[in-house]
Amino acid sequence: NAGVTQTPKFRILKIGQSMTLQCTQDMNHNYMYWYRQDPGMGLKLIYYSVGAGITDKGEVPNGYNVSRSTTEDFPLRLELAAPSQTSVYFCASSSGQGIETQYFGPGTRLLVL
Amino acid sequence: DQQVKQNSPSLSVQEGRISILNCDYTNSMFDYFLWYKKYPAEGPTFLISISSIKDKNEDGRFTVFLNKSAKHLSLHIVPSQPGDSAVYFCGGGSNYKLTFGKGTLLTVNP
Repeated sequence: NAGVTQTPKFRILKIGQSMTLQCTQDMNHNYMYWYRQDPGMGLKLIYYSVGAGITDKGEVPNGYNVSRSTTEDFPLRLELAAPSQTSVYFCASSSGQGIETQYFGPGTRLLVL
Repeated sequence: DQQVKQNSPSLSVQEGRISILNCDYTNSMFDYFLWYKKYPAEGPTFLISISSIKDKNEDGRFTVFLNKSAKHLSLHIVPSQPGDSAVYFCGGGSNYKLTFGKGTLLTVNP
């Protein structure tokens, strides 16, 4: 049981490039989330999904897109990378029952130059 | 508008003593609160939670206290161990979404 996995661990992008951050969970969780964490700041919600085919914006969605075609996968797409998107990105999932304990992946560190 | 505030960026305690991490919130709609621990270069790890209808929850060395009238919660770690050194995030939850504070760096000195 791997939990939540994320790839890549680290990536350098040039301004204007695009990339997809991958997230997979094997806990059969309905709910999945993408956060970003900037230095000295808490985690800010980018997008979330309550099930396959259903996604919604969080607090800081601009510059990102998501899709959820399966229960397991929740990729995050950056279309035109900007220096402001330099951050650490965390994917999380939860069961959608009771107190919503979210389980986090190890993170993807992204540097946009 | 910061709905969850952790006003102490850092805290240093001696091994074996109590660590108290504090968290204030403004959103009365939070149904539950969670504490996460984060080591460098790793994802946050769930530590302990509390429902908004409770005032205390205990799990081993970790206890969370909730004071709804003051919109304040605290995490107590007793006794503190060097392995507890990490950043601790407080989060308020409602409608299956969490809002996090900025975190407190706890350093436990041997």
